[in-house]
Amino acid sequence: DSGVTQTPKHLITATGQRVTLRCSPRSGDLSVYWYQQSLDQGLQFLIQYYNGEERAKGNILERFSAQQFPDLHSELNLSSLELGDSALYFCASSAFWTSGQETQYFGPGTRLLVL
Amino acid sequence: KNQVEQSPQSLIILEGKNCTLQCNYTVSPFSNLRWYKQDTGRGPVSLTIMTFSENTKSNGRYTATLDADTKQSSLHITASQLSDSASYICVVRQGGSYIPTFGRGTSLIVHP
Repeated sequence: DSGVTQTPKHLITATGQRVTLRCSPRSGDLSVYWYQQSLDQGLQFLIQYYNGEERAKGNILERFSAQQFPDLHSELNLSSLELGDSALYFCASSAFWTSGQETQYFGPGTRLLVL
Repeated sequence: KNQVEQSPQSLIILEGKNCTLQCNYTVSPFSNLRWYKQDTGRGPVSLTIMTFSENTKSNGRYTATLDADTKQSSLHITASQLSDSASYICVVRQGGSYIPTFGRGTSLIVHP
């Protein structure tokens, strides 16, 4: 158990809908990262927050948005869902955000299925 | 374009045998390279991280090597166990950028 929690574990929805994925980092970790893992693309970095502020943005679609709240939990919002958005979404956390050598601890993931 | 290529795509070995997984990258400038182990349906777990000046790092039965000149890394697993069955992912970080580049992973199956 990494100490990172994600809810829900599974999510089934229809195209065009909007969903929110939630992540609670390890106690004391200030940095939160979101990743998407699909069968054809592998793991892809989406976005990172540090102590409430966006720090880095990767291959995140405009239909997707995220935020980190004052209690440090984070939410990833996916809207206008398409079939291709079906994937595993991971959240990870680390204590700080420095040189990129910090170890990230991954949550168990949310499996999203868009029908 | 920054790329990370892993080989083989999949590998089946018998319990107790050794194996080596490969990672080639074109990421430049190089900052660090990390190997993750990902069990089916779970999040990745970091095994090792290496910077430019390091060429070998061990974590129990896992030993990673790095040749920054040829931009190659390998992960050697010694005396494999059934619990080693997983996907092994190589991730390279570019200097001056947070954005990591992921390989597609090698799927390892260890048979009794």
